[in-house]
Amino acid sequence: DQQVKQNSPSLSVQEGRISILNCDYTNSMFDYFLWYKKYPAEGPTFLISISSIKDKNEDGRFTVFLNKSAKHLSLHIVPSQPGDSAVYFCAALLNSGNTPLVFGKGTRLSVIA
Amino acid sequence: DVKVTQSSRYLVKRTGEKVFLECVQDMDHENMFWYRQDPGLGLRLIYFSYDVKMKEKGDIPEGYSVSREKKERFSLILESASTNQTSMYLCASSLGEVEQFFGPGTRLTVL
Repeated sequence: DQQVKQNSPSLSVQEGRISILNCDYTNSMFDYFLWYKKYPAEGPTFLISISSIKDKNEDGRFTVFLNKSAKHLSLHIVPSQPGDSAVYFCAALLNSGNTPLVFGKGTRLSVIA
Repeated sequence: DVKVTQSSRYLVKRTGEKVFLECVQDMDHENMFWYRQDPGLGLRLIYFSYDVKMKEKGDIPEGYSVSREKKERFSLILESASTNQTSMYLCASSLGEVEQFFGPGTRLTVL
């Protein structure tokens, strides 16, 4: 039973356009969300996060939006660059204390020049 | 900068062999994790540890064991490697429960 779902396995976007990666979750006890980026043959690297008390967090070209009522978050990348091509993982954390992150299956983003 | 290192980037083993994957972090992190990544399945948690000599099963612990004798080192052991354990193995560490720092991964092939 997947608690964190990334329903699009892949996404292609033209360079300069906006990339929108989506993530849905089922557990209303999640209170912190993170996005990781992974290049082939490398470990994932942390990209951006958001607490459940916020609905938006911005860092340069990356913005994460959280809609708690819909149990949905999205990562916006604008403008998209070829170097953004990677697999993006959404992850969520329960507020109950010592529990690991719960990861989605990832979305492969391809930014076409 | 946090550094998480894994003993091998690429490893080839034969079915039935005992395999050790080592992970070391240099930031005095309490928490360490082992994942495997497979196409279409994302990151799946195998085992984790919140303290020395402590271990907890993740989502897919079958066929694996772990060892944490020192705070900085977390080892994943495949007692008898099988072909379905061919995968990318990723180690991570964290200070709190939130952001995890990942190592570069070990691509294991079991023949």
